Amino acid sequence: DSGVTQTPKHLITATGQRVTLRCSPRSGDLSVYWYQQSLDQGLQFLIQYYNGEERAKGNILERFSAQQFPDLHSELNLSSLELGDSALYFCASSGLAGVGGELFFGEGSRLTVL
Amino acid sequence: QKEVEQDPGPLSVPEGAIVSLNCTYSNSAFQYFMWYRQYSRKGPELLMYTYSSGNKEDGRFTAQVDKSSKYISLFIRDSQPSDSATYLCAGGGSQGNLIFGKGTKLSVKP
Repeated sequence: DSGVTQTPKHLITATGQRVTLRCSPRSGDLSVYWYQQSLDQGLQFLIQYYNGEERAKGNILERFSAQQFPDLHSELNLSSLELGDSALYFCASSGLAGVGGELFFGEGSRLTVL
Repeated sequence: QKEVEQDPGPLSVPEGAIVSLNCTYSNSAFQYFMWYRQYSRKGPELLMYTYSSGNKEDGRFTAQVDKSSKYISLFIRDSQPSDSATYLCAGGGSQGNLIFGKGTKLSVKP
């Protein structure tokens, strides 16, 4: 158990809908990362937050947004969903703001868009 | 070109074999490199961590980084069926986020 909690574990929804994925980082970790994993693209970095502020941005679509709250939990919002958004979404946390930290991953949220 | 390239396999070996997993990367800003192991339906977990060039050994696992050729390797000695998983290489820089390869699926047959 990594200590990172993600909910929901599974989610099935329809195209055009909006969903919110939630992540609770390990106790004491200030950095949260979101990744998308699909069969053809692998594990793609979406966005990083550190202590409530956006730190780095990767291949995150404009339809997606995220935030980190004062209690350090984070949410990833996916809107106007398309079939291609079906994937595993992982949250990871680390104790460091930047260089060199091990990322601890949650079990992921599996999103299926029908 | 993806920042980290990795042959997705699958790779199938008999128990006890030496396994060699490799990645190449293009981002010169990467300062540290990691290998993660991911079992089916689970999140990735850290296996090996290497800062800059060189070798690192941990039990049956050896990680190598050659920054001059931008090449990352993981060797598994005396492979076991429990090593069957997807292995992900990753590079990291000053921002802290990791850039992953697509992963190599390994199957170790008893």
